[in-house]
Amino acid sequence: QQPVQSPQAVILREGEDAVINCSSSKALYSVHWYRQKHGEAPVFLMILLKGGEQKGHEKISASFNEKKQQSSLYLTASQLSYSGTYFCGTVSGAGSYQLTFGKGTKLSVIP
Amino acid sequence: DGGITQSPKYLFRKEGQNVTLSCEQNLNHDAMYWYRQDPGQGLRLIYYSQIVNDFQKGDIAEGYSVSREKKESFPLTVTSAQKNPTAFYLCASSIPAGEQYFGPGTRLTVT
Repeated sequence: QQPVQSPQAVILREGEDAVINCSSSKALYSVHWYRQKHGEAPVFLMILLKGGEQKGHEKISASFNEKKQQSSLYLTASQLSYSGTYFCGTVSGAGSYQLTFGKGTKLSVIP
Repeated sequence: DGGITQSPKYLFRKEGQNVTLSCEQNLNHDAMYWYRQDPGQGLRLIYYSQIVNDFQKGDIAEGYSVSREKKESFPLTVTSAQKNPTAFYLCASSIPAGEQYFGPGTRLTVT
């Protein structure tokens, strides 16, 4: 079953912050985050493994609450280059190769 | 340079014809995947392969077939049984349970 992402779309001005949420009805082993620009392939941002860790990559970080089966992606001080559609992908088992993606959150950063 | 190639970028076919999409990787990854992307739907898994000569159905395998005769190659055939084949097709590869690297995609239009 697809994880549910919220919001579906968000518009930010440069420098503003945003949070994108990903929620699953199934127990999760890991959560992946990807960003896709229009007409291009998705690009990997980060993986969070079971254990409630938080990871960061420059001004983009994420958390994973395995008890709530939720992950959140935090974008701080947004830049124009952050525009795109963000997807979470969930893995339910330790030995599973199957990634189930949400429908995406479209982020638009304007000057 | 290591990466994934997909060809062609755009493909046009008449209804009732089978068509094969190419995917090649030189990242030495064991796992390869095929996704279909429709507007507003995210990425949906068609087939995946963990190792040469082995593959598993994903969520939407009906009307598609694959082969994995070489580690580097994972072609996808869209058969005439697929009712709505027009879509953007993405191939990816990874180490076991790792981040997925995506190819540039093939946009298939069937009329």
